Amino acid sequence: AQSVAQPEDQVNVAEGNPLTVKCTYSVSGNPYLFWYVQYPNRGLQFLLKYITGDNLVKGSYGFEAEFNKSQTSFHLKKPSALVSDSALYFCAVRDRRGDSWGKLQFGAGTQVVVTP
Amino acid sequence: NAGVTQTPKFQVLKTGQSMTLQCAQDMNHNSMYWYRQDPGMGLRLIYYSASEGTTDKGEVPNGYNVSRLNKREFSLRLESAAPSQTSVYFCASSSNPTRSTDTQYFGPGTRLTVL
Repeated sequence: AQSVAQPEDQVNVAEGNPLTVKCTYSVSGNPYLFWYVQYPNRGLQFLLKYITGDNLVKGSYGFEAEFNKSQTSFHLKKPSALVSDSALYFCAVRDRRGDSWGKLQFGAGTQVVVTP
Repeated sequence: NAGVTQTPKFQVLKTGQSMTLQCAQDMNHNSMYWYRQDPGMGLRLIYYSASEGTTDKGEVPNGYNVSRLNKREFSLRLESAAPSQTSVYFCASSSNPTRSTDTQYFGPGTRLTVL
C-alpha cells in the first residue's frame, strides 16, 4: 500500500528566508510524486512533479523539490519565501506495480505562514 | 479555458436531504475524480471515472453515488445527507492515469454543511 506523510502541521518562516516543507512516502513500486498548493477558499493548484530523471525538480512560482530515494523523501523548497506563499501545501504520491497504477494518495497538508 | 468548474460553491442541507454536486471540465480529459477534504486528513478519494461510461469506488464511497454524464461532466449525489458529510468537496480531472506523467487538475470546491 502507498502512503505519504507530512510531519509538520505548520511551518512558520520570515519573508526572505528559505522555506522547506517536508514530505516522506512509502510505496511498493516506483514512486511518482507531486506537490500541490491551496490558497484560502480556492482549489488545489499543481506546483511540480517527479516522474523520473533529475532528483531536483523545478516548478511554478520559484518552488523546487528534491527527490531522495534512500530517505524516501520529496521535500518542497523555496530559496526566499514571500508573504504570498502563505497557503496549505499538499504532497501526493502514486506508484506503479507492473501494469497497475495506484491512485493519487495525499498527505494531510502543511500550513505555511510567511510573516513580513 | 475554464478548466474544472463546480457548482454550487456553498450549500447548507438538513440531515436527510438530498443534493447533487455538479462538475464539468473543458480540457478533454478522460478521467474525473471526486474528493472530500477534511481538516488534518488531506484529500480522500470518494469515486472516480477512468473514462466515459465507467465509475469506480475510491477510499470513502459510502453515502455517495456518481454519474459520468458524458466526457465533460461528472456529478456526485448525496441521497440522504448526514452531518458526517460536512466537508469541502473537490472535483478533479486528468488526461490518462495509466501514463506516468498524468497530472490531476482541480476545481474550486464546494463547501457543504449538513445540519
